[in-house]
Amino acid sequence: QQKVQQSPESLIVPEGGMASLNCTFSDRNSQYFWWYRQHSGEGPKALMSIFSNGDKKEGRFTAHLNKASLYVSLHIKDSQPSDSALYFCAAHSNYQLIWGSGTKLIIKP
Amino acid sequence: DTTVKQNPRYKLARVGKPVNLICSQTMNHDTMYWYQKKPNQAPKLLLFYYDKILNREADTFEKFQSSRPNNSFCSLYIGSAGLEYSAMYLCASSRRQNQDTQYFGPGTRLLVL
Repeated sequence: QQKVQQSPESLIVPEGGMASLNCTFSDRNSQYFWWYRQHSGEGPKALMSIFSNGDKKEGRFTAHLNKASLYVSLHIKDSQPSDSALYFCAAHSNYQLIWGSGTKLIIKP
Repeated sequence: DTTVKQNPRYKLARVGKPVNLICSQTMNHDTMYWYQKKPNQAPKLLLFYYDKILNREADTFEKFQSSRPNNSFCSLYIGSAGLEYSAMYLCASSRRQNQDTQYFGPGTRLLVL
């Protein structure tokens, strides 16, 4: 069964710095990968998806996928205090999303 | 409007009593999901509706029930709450399944005493 693991569990980054979040998955047949972000008191909100190997950039956010290495990452450039949140990686397996347990990102002013 | 609403936001229940949680969406999405989220754990899919068809996970089959009286509403029902049911319950919807974005409500925090 698909397993998704995220690292680190928590991360402190200075404002304006680069945050790098990592995720590994176990099902080589997974095709779709998502990053969701959850602010305190809210539900998770989709940040971006990635389906193809390589990089996908959306504003300050860049996702990277390497299916052969079973690895996906998220990089946040010029981190802002509003980026402080819980970040989830999720991989599609069969008919559902399998989620990691999240990385808590704190941006320090 | 990509709003998913959940009621109540907080629920206190006694062991052995039933619990009913409500979710609504106005995006005309075909699929609605219920997840259970405990601290420091990954969200766990409990069940989902695709249109009127209910799909329940094997390991939660007997613990949770659900109904979807129309496209907009979906409920999660616990017949007899146990301490282990204390968690955040997240409802989500998506246009279809698979690669479509899931839109989440703010969650219902359930505490069973």
